[in-house]
Amino acid sequence: DGGITQSPKYLFRKEGQNVTLSCEQNLNHDAMYWYRQDPGQGLRLIYYSQIVNDFQKGDIAEGYSVSREKKESFPLTVTSAQKNPTAFYLCASSIARPSAGELFFGEGSRLTVL
Amino acid sequence: KQEVTQIPAALSVPEGENLVLNCSFTDSAIYNLQWFRQDPGKGLTSLLLIQSSQREQTSGRLNASLDKSSGRSTLYIAASQPGDSATYLCAVTLMAGKLIFGQGTTLQVKP
Repeated sequence: DGGITQSPKYLFRKEGQNVTLSCEQNLNHDAMYWYRQDPGQGLRLIYYSQIVNDFQKGDIAEGYSVSREKKESFPLTVTSAQKNPTAFYLCASSIARPSAGELFFGEGSRLTVL
Repeated sequence: KQEVTQIPAALSVPEGENLVLNCSFTDSAIYNLQWFRQDPGKGLTSLLLIQSSQREQTSGRLNASLDKSSGRSTLYIAASQPGDSATYLCAVTLMAGKLIFGQGTTLQVKP
């Protein structure tokens, strides 16, 4: 079945550690996105990528890094520089950006900093 | 700056009732508007996508309307069921390609 797979579903991190969240899609979508969701704040865009080997900062990119070496994959690294990393992270993809089509989401990864 | 607002933040209705969820946006220069459903601890599922040139879209018991001039969209749910209980989010795609999400309306349908 086509879709977006995020892993791990739950992740615990000690302060000062970097962690990488995986996002894989088999929808043949060009555009991929990372969002962060916090209670009462809605979804905020961290990074997005329109094409392989290219990505752009979103509204809250500080403390995060991404790569787009393959069309299917868009991993997100939460670095130790991110001051408040505990959140629910959502990966999404669409046909193209600017998106004239639907946005499809993965099931999310919940990161907790201990 | 585009802002998307969803009112009310929470809604509780008895099973079988028809209901309307509201979404308003401040800038009418949008590509499209999407309605999503989110279950607790899960990702978002796209329900309906309305292009800027369209007035409404329907899928089963769901009907979404778009009035760009007034900056409003509504999601109508007919004959609500307990399985409809979830958080419903709307998002607008700006001409620059950026998506702006509302904070959602949490719906509870009581049996």
